[in-house]
Parts: sequence; structure tokens; C-alpha cells
Amino acid sequence: DGGITQSPKYLFRKEGQNVTLSCEQNLNHDAMYWYRQDPGQGLRLIYYSQIVNDFQKGDIAEGYSVSREKKESFPLTVTSAQKNPTAFYLCASTPLAGGSYNEQFFGPGTRLTVL
Amino acid sequence: GQNIDQPTEMTATEGAIVQINCTYQTSGFNGLFWYQQHAGEAPTFLSYNVLDGLEEKGRFSSFLSRSKGYSYLLLKELQMKDSASYLCAVRPPFAGNNRKLIWGLGTSLAVNP
Repeated sequence: DGGITQSPKYLFRKEGQNVTLSCEQNLNHDAMYWYRQDPGQGLRLIYYSQIVNDFQKGDIAEGYSVSREKKESFPLTVTSAQKNPTAFYLCASTPLAGGSYNEQFFGPGTRLTVL
Repeated sequence: GQNIDQPTEMTATEGAIVQINCTYQTSGFNGLFWYQQHAGEAPTFLSYNVLDGLEEKGRFSSFLSRSKGYSYLLLKELQMKDSASYLCAVRPPFAGNNRKLIWGLGTSLAVNP
């Protein structure tokens, strides 16, 4: 079955530690996105990538970093510089061409809690 | 600027009809999406409108008026499982490889027995 996987589902970290969230897709989608969602809030874009080895900052990139070494994978690192990292993190992907609506497909999310 | 407005919360009764509105002011327009998100889960795609008019898909319908910058999602024969947040998102015109969406804050719908 094609889809997007994110791991882990729940993640706890101590203040001052970096942590990497995994996102893998086997949909052969070109573009991938990372969003952050806080309680009662919409989706805020952290980073996105349209092609391997290239990515752009979204609206709230400070304190985060990404890589896109493979088409299938787009890991997000939450660094110690991120002042308020506790949130629900969602990864999404979309084809750049050929899809019916080119809607974004989402992974199940990772809930990060900083202790 | 880019802005999408949706009501924060709505309440409806099982079996009834509810309309969730979305107004947008964006620099250009190339489609509008509606997503459903249950608490603690990922958003799932519901509908897409790019031309004016009504798109019907089972119990859910979505309407678009581009001249008014307005869309609504209509949910009929409400069920308890329809209790969720409904997100409206606008796709700006393609600029190079830019495929970002502009998201509203979502409308939390509670369906009561």
C-alpha cells in the first residue's frame, strides 16, 4: 500500500537536545512538506522540498533543519534553538504533475513533547 | 497579504445539515481544498474546487465563488463521526515550482446527539 509514514508517533525529549523526526513516502511524489500544528491552530509550514537535494524555508523555519537526500525521505531535525518545540508535527507530500488535484497527502503525525 | 477566514467553532445536531464557510483574500487563486481532521490525526482530503459552482460528493458538497473569494463546505445527514476540524486551504497560482498552500485555522465542528 502506498502512503506516508512518520515515526515515532510520540516523542519525548529533554530541553537542549536535538531530535530528528522521520518521514518516508512511497507514493513517488516529488514535493514534501513539514508542518507544525499547535492546539486550536491551523497548519504552519516549516520547510518544503520540490526536488531531491533542494529545499526552502517555510513560514517558521527558525530552529529547524531538513535534508532531502532521497526522493522518498524528508527528515526534520528539531534543534535546541527552537524555543517552543512541543507540538504535533505533520509531514505531507504531493505530486508536482499528473495528479488529479495534486492535493497534499499527510502522514499520521508525530507528537513531540519537550520535558 | 494572504488571509483565510473560517469560523472557529460550530455545533450541530445529528441528522441535520451544516454549512462551514471560508473566505479568502490571496494574491491570485488556483484552487481551494477542504480537509477533515479528527483530533490527534492527520488531515484527510475532502474536496477541491477551482471553478465556480457546487461539487457534490456523497454527503459532502463544496461550493466556490471566485468573484466573492468565498467557499463553503456543506455536510448533510450529520453523523457523530463528522465531529472534527475542517480546514480550508487555497492554492496560489503556480510560480516556478512553488506548490505551497495557504491554510485557514480550521473550524471545529461538534455533532451532538
